[in-house]
Amino acid sequence: EAGVAQSPRYKIIEKRQSVAFWCNPISGHATLYWYQQILGQGPKLLIQFQNNGVVDDSQLPKDRFSAERLKGVDSTLKIQPAKLEDSAVYLCASTVRAGSNSPLHFGNGTRLTVT
Amino acid sequence: RKEVEQDPGPFNVPEGATVAFNCTYSNSASQSFFWYRQDCRKEPKLLMSVYSSGNEDGRFTAQLNRASQYISLLIRDSKLSDSATYLCVFLDSNYQLIWGAGTKLIIKP
Repeated sequence: EAGVAQSPRYKIIEKRQSVAFWCNPISGHATLYWYQQILGQGPKLLIQFQNNGVVDDSQLPKDRFSAERLKGVDSTLKIQPAKLEDSAVYLCASTVRAGSNSPLHFGNGTRLTVT
Repeated sequence: RKEVEQDPGPFNVPEGATVAFNCTYSNSASQSFFWYRQDCRKEPKLLMSVYSSGNEDGRFTAQLNRASQYISLLIRDSKLSDSATYLCVFLDSNYQLIWGAGTKLIIKP
């Protein structure tokens, strides 16, 4: 089974620039998550999709972050404009169905550095 | 009180020793509990689910104490490869996953 694919692995940008991350979940996984993980902290949920609908985006800084999953498969997360505090690892995860005991499968993450 | 709390560590443990750490949660309606393992600069991976009756997987034992609202992870005969950060996660009554910040474990030869 192919895992969750994310790209790019690393990205360095200057503050106020924009950046986009891409995620392709495991085939058949209806639920997709984007997490932000700052060094030394647990993952922080940014947005959760069920198919192509948003389930939870309460912690997404909507003035600068946006995400979409138009066809219910792959997803993109965008930051515009970036701030220094956005430096973190952005993890995409998927699962068969939210609320079940099926585990989350994470991608390798995108390590973003904002200078 | 935070929704979930873990001792950040690090726990420095000699190889072969037994180590245990807990994770407390504040939402008594929490439904499911998990331990994830995260290696340095890697993504989290499911270690084990935590069942009400407690469960064991090789050298790892997970337990749930609903009365005191915590889960625990015990590692016996620790190996160097067990060095990682252990994240507790629970599913709340809204079916949302709540993550702890993790406990860092370092196994020393």
